[in-house]
Amino acid sequence: KAGVTQTPRYLIKTRGQQVTLSCSPISGHRSVSWYQQTPGQGLQFLFEYFSETQRNKGNFPGRFSGRQFSNSRSEMNVSTLELGDSALYLCASSLSTIQAYGYTFGSGTRLTVV
Amino acid sequence: DQQVKQNSPSLSVQEGRISILNCDYTNSMFDYFLWYKKYPAEGPTFLISISSIKDKNEDGRFTVFLNKSAKHLSLHIVPSQPGDSAVYFCAASAGNQFYFGTGTSLTVIP
Repeated sequence: KAGVTQTPRYLIKTRGQQVTLSCSPISGHRSVSWYQQTPGQGLQFLFEYFSETQRNKGNFPGRFSGRQFSNSRSEMNVSTLELGDSALYLCASSLSTIQAYGYTFGSGTRLTVV
Repeated sequence: DQQVKQNSPSLSVQEGRISILNCDYTNSMFDYFLWYKKYPAEGPTFLISISSIKDKNEDGRFTVFLNKSAKHLSLHIVPSQPGDSAVYFCAASAGNQFYFGTGTSLTVIP
């Protein structure tokens, strides 16, 4: 059974550019969440999608957006990149709202903004 | 505003001894609490969870304790093994959103 797949694994972008990250959830998982991990800040929630609808959104500026497709694959976009956007971006999927079992995370996309 | 806090960034324990990782939270509406383990260059993996209606949940060498009155959560690993060396995140959920702590790096010394 394939896990959560995130592409690309590593990315280097220049300040002001935009970037799109991709996430393929585990087959059958309809909920996809995105997190940003930076040193000292832990995992910060970006947003959650369920059946192509954004169900929850964290406290990030509008430069961060996402979407989910009918096959549950999700993309996250960051426009007008800033140096502070350098982080590990993690995607996680789950069946629905079974919180007791948590998410299954992908290995992340390491974004470096220079 | 950090609703879930892990005040110890690192912990070192001898192999075979008990590892105790702590977590504090502020939101009394949290209904599930989870622990995740993360190795470098990998995503976090789910370890164990506990519902807010319980005070203890055990799974093999891992036990999670919940003290709701103190808004405190702890993970006990007994006996600790070198392969347990990783960063441990606690998380709490309210609705469909999880709130994560900043992590504690555990090193188990052989």
